[in-house]
Amino acid sequence: KQEVTQIPAALSVPEGENLVLNCSFTDSAIYNLQWFRQDPGKGLTSLLLIQSSQREQTSGRLNASLDKSSGRSTLYIAASQPGDSATYLCAAPSPTTSGTYKYIFGTGTRLKVLA
Amino acid sequence: GAGVSQTPSNKVTEKGKYVELRCDPISGHTALYWYRQSLGQGPEFLIYFQGTGAADDSGLPNDRFFAVRPEGSVSTLKIQRTERGDSAVYLCASSLTSKGDTQYFGPGTRLTVL
Repeated sequence: KQEVTQIPAALSVPEGENLVLNCSFTDSAIYNLQWFRQDPGKGLTSLLLIQSSQREQTSGRLNASLDKSSGRSTLYIAASQPGDSATYLCAAPSPTTSGTYKYIFGTGTRLKVLA
Repeated sequence: GAGVSQTPSNKVTEKGKYVELRCDPISGHTALYWYRQSLGQGPEFLIYFQGTGAADDSGLPNDRFFAVRPEGSVSTLKIQRTERGDSAVYLCASSLTSKGDTQYFGPGTRLTVL
């Protein structure tokens, strides 16, 4: 059974710092992993999708890595800005009895970047 | 191209009322999923459609919740006799097929039951 854990639950950093958000998953037989951003009261915005054959993906100041063997993914944010303040969620797929997959989400890391 | 869209973006209703939430998946995607996100939690799976049929509804919390996808495209999540505990963000996702394709998420509908 897939379980996803995110550490830390909350993080507060001064503007300009580089930071790392952690995601761990228990079932390494995943075909991809997604990182999302969620602003307060809003829906999900997909940030990065890493396929199982990839070790990392980059988009601007964001870099996500995937290590299936250890059951870990990290989201690296370079030169953080106040606009990066949001909750960051990771999600890993888990097979269902109906032959499809459902995403299992972590509870997120709530990031606050101080100006 | 257009992503997954959901309407309304926000819905406020009174306890006991009936609500419908709509999801428009990406064109051509055969698989459609509904998730629910309660405050402070990550989204949790509710139901999955392959085409017009609900292939897996194991995540629906009780029989007040029902979803349809009559033509294999747009889906509607229906909640009867709403309760305050139903307040959450309801998210829809679609994928090209159900066999391990990436699920693309919509922006969600925030439901508030007063």
